[in-house]
Amino acid sequence: DVKVTQSSRYLVKRTGEKVFLECVQDMDHENMFWYRQDPGLGLRLIYFSYDVKMKEKGDIPEGYSVSREKKERFSLILESASTNQTSMYLCASAGQNYGYTFGSGTRLTVV
Amino acid sequence: AQSVTQPDIHITVSEGASLELRCNYSYGATPYLFWYVQSPGQGLQLLLKYFSGDTLVQGIKGFEAEFKRSQSSFNLRKPSVHWSDAAEYFCAVGSGGYQKVTFGIGTKLQVIP
Repeated sequence: DVKVTQSSRYLVKRTGEKVFLECVQDMDHENMFWYRQDPGLGLRLIYFSYDVKMKEKGDIPEGYSVSREKKERFSLILESASTNQTSMYLCASAGQNYGYTFGSGTRLTVV
Repeated sequence: AQSVTQPDIHITVSEGASLELRCNYSYGATPYLFWYVQSPGQGLQLLLKYFSGDTLVQGIKGFEAEFKRSQSSFNLRKPSVHWSDAAEYFCAVGSGGYQKVTFGIGTKLQVIP
């Protein structure tokens, strides 16, 4: 069964910390995405990557960066975590014809 | 830029009743349209998608959706709802390259006995 795995289900971090969220896919997909999900706002695209070392900003990139050193791994980095980054973070990868597979999500709380 | 509107944030239906969830999109070209479902504590699962051809699309779990270009709509329907259908439903539109998708804010479905 194809999978997108997010390394942590729950995370609690302090304001100002540098936070890494990891996502790994085993489907050899070119495209990977990071979304954040907030009540009443749906899913909003933070960053996406269409190839190794290639990345594009999504709709809300401020305060975030990403890294894709290997095809199967796409990392989201919060340079200096703030309380307004408390959210559910969803990673997805996509094959042909928008065949998205989502991870189970990481619920991040910044205190 | 593309956008998706889901006008109903919460919907409550009785088990066995029919269901229709509304979705309107804004996109200049022929859209790629999707419905996803998210059960509590889970990731998103694709219910169905429309790329071209027949405007009535069948999906998993007994769901279907109809693409109406004149109304810019892609409403999701199910003839008889089961308690296990209680979840949040997201409509989405795909655009351009890189398989990028824009999601609506979601409709939370409650099913009562």
